[in-house]
Amino acid sequence: EAQVTQNPRYLITVTGKKLTVTCSQNMNHEYMSWYRQDPGLGLRQIYYSMNVEVTDKGDVPEGYKVSRKEKRNFPLILESPSPNQTSLYFCASSRDRQFIYGYTFGSGTRLTVV
Amino acid sequence: AQSVTQLGSHVSVSEGALVLLRCNYSSSVPPYLFWYVQYPNQGLQLLLKYTSAATLVKGINGFEAEFKKSETSFHLTKPSAHMSDAAEYFCAVISNTGNQFYFGTGTSLTVIP
Repeated sequence: EAQVTQNPRYLITVTGKKLTVTCSQNMNHEYMSWYRQDPGLGLRQIYYSMNVEVTDKGDVPEGYKVSRKEKRNFPLILESPSPNQTSLYFCASSRDRQFIYGYTFGSGTRLTVV
Repeated sequence: AQSVTQLGSHVSVSEGALVLLRCNYSSSVPPYLFWYVQYPNQGLQLLLKYTSAATLVKGINGFEAEFKKSETSFHLTKPSAHMSDAAEYFCAVISNTGNQFYFGTGTSLTVIP
């Protein structure tokens, strides 16, 4: 089944403790991206990657890191999480940046930083 | 920058009534436009998309949207609401550079029995 898999689904952590949220897609998609969803703000893009070793900042990149060493994986790293990073996170992938062929989303990761 | 504006963060309709969710985009060039739906505790699912072909686009679950260049709008409609339509709906557009995908702030649809 074609899908984007995120792990974990739920995560509670403490301020300053480094964490990684994994994202993997099995569709050989070139484009991958991370979003955060907050009430009243919709989804805002954190980082995106147009191919292996190519990553760019989205609209809210502060406090996040990403890497794209392999085409299928695009982990999101929070080096020193803070409470304002408590949010619902989505990974997404697309065949290319045309998006018209489909933009597939993972099931989400709900992160709470205390 | 290309963006979308969704009017109304919450919309309530009675079961069987018309659903109208509003989306306006800012751009001088007809873009690609999308509507996504998010059911509770789930990811986002594509409802429909406009890709410069027919201006009236039909999607899944009986939804449709009409691209109106003169009004820079792409409103989502469904003739008769069903309880299962209760969800969050997002309008989205591709950026001018083609590198990013922007979402509106979302509209939460409540269907009243």
